[in-house]
Amino acid sequence: EVQLVESGGGLVQPGGSLRLSCAASGFTFSLYWIHWVRQTPGKGLVWVSRINTDGSDTIYADSVKGRFTISRDNAKNTVYLQMNSLRAEDTAVYYCARGSSYSAYWGQGTLVTVSS
Amino acid sequence: EIVMTQSPATLSVSPGERATLSCRASQSVSSNLAWYQQKPGQAPRLLIYGASTRATGIPARFSGSGYGTEFSLTISSLQSEDFAAYYCQQYNNWPWTFGQGTKVEIK
Repeated sequence: EVQLVESGGGLVQPGGSLRLSCAASGFTFSLYWIHWVRQTPGKGLVWVSRINTDGSDTIYADSVKGRFTISRDNAKNTVYLQMNSLRAEDTAVYYCARGSSYSAYWGQGTLVTVSS
Repeated sequence: EIVMTQSPATLSVSPGERATLSCRASQSVSSNLAWYQQKPGQAPRLLIYGASTRATGIPARFSGSGYGTEFSLTISSLQSEDFAAYYCQQYNNWPWTFGQGTKVEIK
């Protein structure tokens, strides 16, 4: 069974940092792109970042470029999202999702709250 | 980036009735469009990809159509488990972009 499990969310002050993890199982992890998508009640689903199969190619939404870094460890079947210089508007549920275009597999999400 | 606009924001439908949801792209996305269903506290669930292909395990009452900039999702006879939010997503261009969603509620 394909599973994606996010962790690492929590409460952080503005300007702070947080690292999210997405642990995968049930499939050959190294063959798939992984995305991070976030969701806030007011703005719906917003794509954040994507990493290719070997980590050599990454792209970011303009809103997080220069502050967030996506990476992966294929030996550990895990993707990471390092989030620095966090802002109140980064508050959201963060999902990881598998796929090169649409995504049939999503994790359950991890909540990030940026507040003082 | 491509802006996806869904309408209506809320659709009130009685069980057993037909529901049609619309999604418009600000520029052509060819057939590179997906639909997702999301229930409170859950992750999105893929319903349709390629504008009209049902994902694995999706009941036949869900159907998608459209090409270019105009798309629709039809639920032929609403069941109780279908009351949820629905999102369209284009994957023709980076970044992926999603519509703001249509909430299907019980009338």
